[in-house]
Amino acid sequence: GIQVEQSPPDLILQEGANSTLRCNFSDSVNNLQWFHQNPWGQLINLFYIPSGTKQNGRLSATTVATERYSLLYISSSQTTDSGVYFCAVLKTSYDKVIFGPGTSLSVIP
Amino acid sequence: KAGVTQTPRYLIKTRGQQVTLSCSPISGHRSVSWYQQTPGQGLQFLFEYFSETQRNKGNFPGRFSGRQFSNSRSEMNVSTLELGDSALYLCASSLGGDPRVNEQFFGPGTRLTVL
Repeated sequence: GIQVEQSPPDLILQEGANSTLRCNFSDSVNNLQWFHQNPWGQLINLFYIPSGTKQNGRLSATTVATERYSLLYISSSQTTDSGVYFCAVLKTSYDKVIFGPGTSLSVIP
Repeated sequence: KAGVTQTPRYLIKTRGQQVTLSCSPISGHRSVSWYQQTPGQGLQFLFEYFSETQRNKGNFPGRFSGRQFSNSRSEMNVSTLELGDSALYLCASSLGGDPRVNEQFFGPGTRLTVL
């Protein structure tokens, strides 16, 4: 099956700093999502981005499908950005969604 | 449009008991997937139901089962609970068709504690 890796596994930032999270996947996919899991466990949709670039406020994401990776950019980080960021991929509707192991982000004041 | 709802939100059970968790997907969504998340672990896929049929299954023992009703609501059942079943159980809903437009949306989860 598809392997999904995320880096770095842990990240500590000072408030206001920028960061880049990476997601690598081992096979072509038709679907890629980024999620933020807040401290209460809720998974929040950030981006649905099988290819191309999207931006939403301080967050943006780029997926280069031909090279099998996706990047999540967080600019001017805030303490509320703390939590775990997951990427998830899907190849076909007959496959299961594969989640990466996550990047744990802590933003300190 | 209402989001994905899960009930109950919190549950405490003792070893050997069984438990049933419920998930109501977003209106119009036909796929419901279940995940288990234990402390420090990622999301472990349990199973996916699409139009009342189990379409995919993860590597969990037979004590874990599920079903989906004609209105797309889904339940999962865990029998003979073990301490290791203590976890956050998350449900996700999606349209379930073409993966290119198959965005998943998660419910708030059910936190199960087994004593």
